[in-house]
Amino acid sequence: SQQGEEDPQALSIQEGENATMNCSYKTSINNLQWYRQNSGRGLVHLILIRSNEREKHSGRLRVTLDTSKKSSSLLITASRAADTASYFCATVGSARQLTFGSGTQLTVLP
Amino acid sequence: GAGVSQTPSNKVTEKGKYVELRCDPISGHTALYWYRQSLGQGPEFLIYFQGTGAADDSGLPNDRFFAVRPEGSVSTLKIQRTERGDSAMYLCASSSTSGRSYNEQFFGPGTRLTVL
Repeated sequence: SQQGEEDPQALSIQEGENATMNCSYKTSINNLQWYRQNSGRGLVHLILIRSNEREKHSGRLRVTLDTSKKSSSLLITASRAADTASYFCATVGSARQLTFGSGTQLTVLP
Repeated sequence: GAGVSQTPSNKVTEKGKYVELRCDPISGHTALYWYRQSLGQGPEFLIYFQGTGAADDSGLPNDRFFAVRPEGSVSTLKIQRTERGDSAMYLCASSSTSGRSYNEQFFGPGTRLTVL
């Protein structure tokens, strides 16, 4: 079963704009991860944020985590056409398996 | 190899047939995971191996699904008496339990299974 919901389900922006995606989850976590998936391909790990962290940066990515609201957001700044992909948040279960949200399909228009 | 590989990349079969999907993890990775992803959804966990043993198979939907990893490296996901509802992308991932990449799972490109 899916861990939670991501919103929006789809997002379309112009190149150069910022893109914000949100994720909610249901259970207590040790960490939350964001993955990217190009159409019809495997997933690529983007960033991991631990439960005791509130914000983390990696290049043009900024992730926030609010454990009291069981939510996280992914911000991509100065978006590029190459950022077009689906983005998933995932939490880690007891057996270290990932439980994914339903994803946000981001389209960056040139 | 440089990354996780999966074969075949595409598999088309008929309802009722048996299929095997193969995953080659990153060399030295002891943990291996199988996930299934339906169109428009996030991947869903199927089974997790630590070494040769299935540490958690709670995600397998029914007894038509089985997976093995006999030598602790390559894994095969086996589906018997396939049904149209089994059509999906099957993803494999591996991870190391040591070092800074702990818990980071590296995914293969997937096998797209279509059951006609």
